[in-house]
Amino acid sequence: DTEVTQTPKHLVMGMTNKKSLKCEQHMGHRAMYWYKQKAKKPPELMFVYSYEKLSINESVPSRFSPECPNSSLLNLHLHALQPEDSALYLCASSQDGGGPLGNTIYFGEGSWLTVV
Amino acid sequence: GNSVTQMEGPVTLSEEAFLTINCTYTATGYPSLFWYVQYPGEGLQLLLKATKADDKGSNKGFEATYRKETTSFHLEKGSVQVSDSAVYFCALTGNTGGFKTIFGAGTRLFVKA
Repeated sequence: DTEVTQTPKHLVMGMTNKKSLKCEQHMGHRAMYWYKQKAKKPPELMFVYSYEKLSINESVPSRFSPECPNSSLLNLHLHALQPEDSALYLCASSQDGGGPLGNTIYFGEGSWLTVV
Repeated sequence: GNSVTQMEGPVTLSEEAFLTINCTYTATGYPSLFWYVQYPGEGLQLLLKATKADDKGSNKGFEATYRKETTSFHLEKGSVQVSDSAVYFCALTGNTGGFKTIFGAGTRLFVKA
């Protein structure tokens, strides 16, 4: 069972809606991530928070807005999305940024987003 | 830059067949190597990892050996089950810190009863 929990599991939203995806981890990890995954493709990194500060933004459009209220929680606020934004959104966490032993990331089950 | 190349799928096997999924990488220094598995409708799960040359990662009957001389990390299982049907991603991270994981394209495995 994954220790990274995401809600909701499925979300359908219109192009003018505002919605949020939520993620929680209780592993004491200090880095949290949002990935986007399209069908039959590997996950693509969107954002990384390290110690509750935004560390990486992979040039993601501003209609996606991340938020890290505390070290256990990560949100992704969605506004004015396009149909091509429909995808599986994966939250993940890791102990920190890794080092000689690499950086093992732990994924949640994902939120399936459909934009209509 | 760093990259990971996996064999293209899909791979279709009968139950109890031997599985090999090839993975090669390009990286500076000594990366850590991972296999993640994604079952239908789910997120990715760590399957196994190796952090230095000649290390063997193993889990659930799967294993992979970090071969620096051939820059490879091939995934093997001696006898697959229908429940192993999934997409398998080879991945690497650097060993000097940093948050980016480089994923291969993924290999879909179908196991027939």
